[in-house]
Amino acid sequence: DAKTTQPNSMESNEEEPVHLPCNHSTISGTDYIHWYRQLPSQGPEYVIHGLTSNVNNRMASLAIAEDRKSSTLILHRATLRDAAVYYCILRPLYSGAGSYQLTFGKGTKLSVIP
Amino acid sequence: DAGVIQSPRHEVTEMGQEVTLRCKPISGHDYLFWYRQTMMRGLELLIYFNNNVPIDDSGMPEDRFSAKMPNASFSTLKIQPSEPRDSAVYFCASSNPGQGAGNTIYFGEGSWLTVV
Repeated sequence: DAKTTQPNSMESNEEEPVHLPCNHSTISGTDYIHWYRQLPSQGPEYVIHGLTSNVNNRMASLAIAEDRKSSTLILHRATLRDAAVYYCILRPLYSGAGSYQLTFGKGTKLSVIP
Repeated sequence: DAGVIQSPRHEVTEMGQEVTLRCKPISGHDYLFWYRQTMMRGLELLIYFNNNVPIDDSGMPEDRFSAKMPNASFSTLKIQPSEPRDSAVYFCASSNPGQGAGNTIYFGEGSWLTVV
């Protein structure tokens, strides 16, 4: 399975933008890039995903490098509620064994400073 | 939608006792997952079902663990007998790939198990 590398932790000031990096140098052409986050004492929740193009939704933006070997999750204005562990996960585009579950790494623990 | 519902939210039990964790997936979802989270090992997939059939149970740690899905709206994860090293947060999750969004998986709030 293609793996991802993320910093263990990051800090951000409240209301500042946050850029969370993820390296996935062994990504295959059919792997989606997914981001989930886990707030304290809660289950993981979906944030955003993309394949090749940059993506925006109400929670965040995902910037994908042209060679797809890295991506960046962008929180435009960090709030205290954004303090969580953020996971970058690769998932195969096509169905088949192993394509439906999520394999979590250690993620990046984001702290937001008031 | 009520989301994935798990029970109990918290359980403290004595070593050797049987523990049963329950999960109600989101209606219409045909994939159900059981994950376990510990400080040491992070989030691990234990088993997942498709249309009530177990597809991959390679993550189940040992024979003391068993999971069933008797129908589309209910699943159990059972530990018998329980041991202190089973103390963890157990998450149930469900998804419906047919709904697109790159197979988004929805997690419950978890069952916090402590075995003393």
